[in-house]
Amino acid sequence: DGGITQSPKYLFRKEGQNVTLSCEQNLNHDAMYWYRQDPGQGLRLIYYSQIVNDFQKGDIAEGYSVSREKKESFPLTVTSAQKNPTAFYLCASSIAAPWSYNSPLHFGNGTRLTVT
Amino acid sequence: DAKTTQPPSMDCAEGRAANLPCNHSTISGNEYVYWYRQIHSQGPQYIIHGLKNNETNEMASLIITEDRKSSTLILPHATLRDTAVYYCIVPPGPNTGNQFYFGTGTSLTVIP
Repeated sequence: DGGITQSPKYLFRKEGQNVTLSCEQNLNHDAMYWYRQDPGQGLRLIYYSQIVNDFQKGDIAEGYSVSREKKESFPLTVTSAQKNPTAFYLCASSIAAPWSYNSPLHFGNGTRLTVT
Repeated sequence: DAKTTQPPSMDCAEGRAANLPCNHSTISGNEYVYWYRQIHSQGPQYIIHGLKNNETNEMASLIITEDRKSSTLILPHATLRDTAVYYCIVPPGPNTGNQFYFGTGTSLTVIP
């Protein structure tokens, strides 16, 4: 089945360590996204990528980094510079950038990161 | 970009239709309305989207008013598994950074 795989589902790290969250899709989608969700809150966009080797900052990119070396992969690194890294992280993809106006997002099931 | 307004919570009896409203009074002529839902601790699930005409699929129906300033998502026969947070989204136009803005949505509780 086609879809988006995020791993691991739960991740624990010590404060001061960088950590990389995996996101892989086999939908042949061009665009990929990372969102962060805090308890009781909506989703906030961290980074997005419209095409391989290209990505743009979202609303809350500080303390995060991404790469897009392959179409199917869009890993997110949470660096030690991120002040409040504990959150639920969601990866998504779409056929094209949303300004095609007919391109829904498809989400993975998320990674819950806890930093202590 | 067109912001959306949704009630924070709603209840619905199992087996009855759930009607979830959304106001998007600043929507532009070429902007779509999308609906997603999120069950606790899972990723959001795409439900349906539309531009002007009413839309129906196996999950739900979407009714958009003629002036496009509001819409209603209808779950025709709600089940307990439909308990989730429902998001109404109107993505902004090209060359903007935040493509899909997910607010806090409507928390729907289906009651047995």
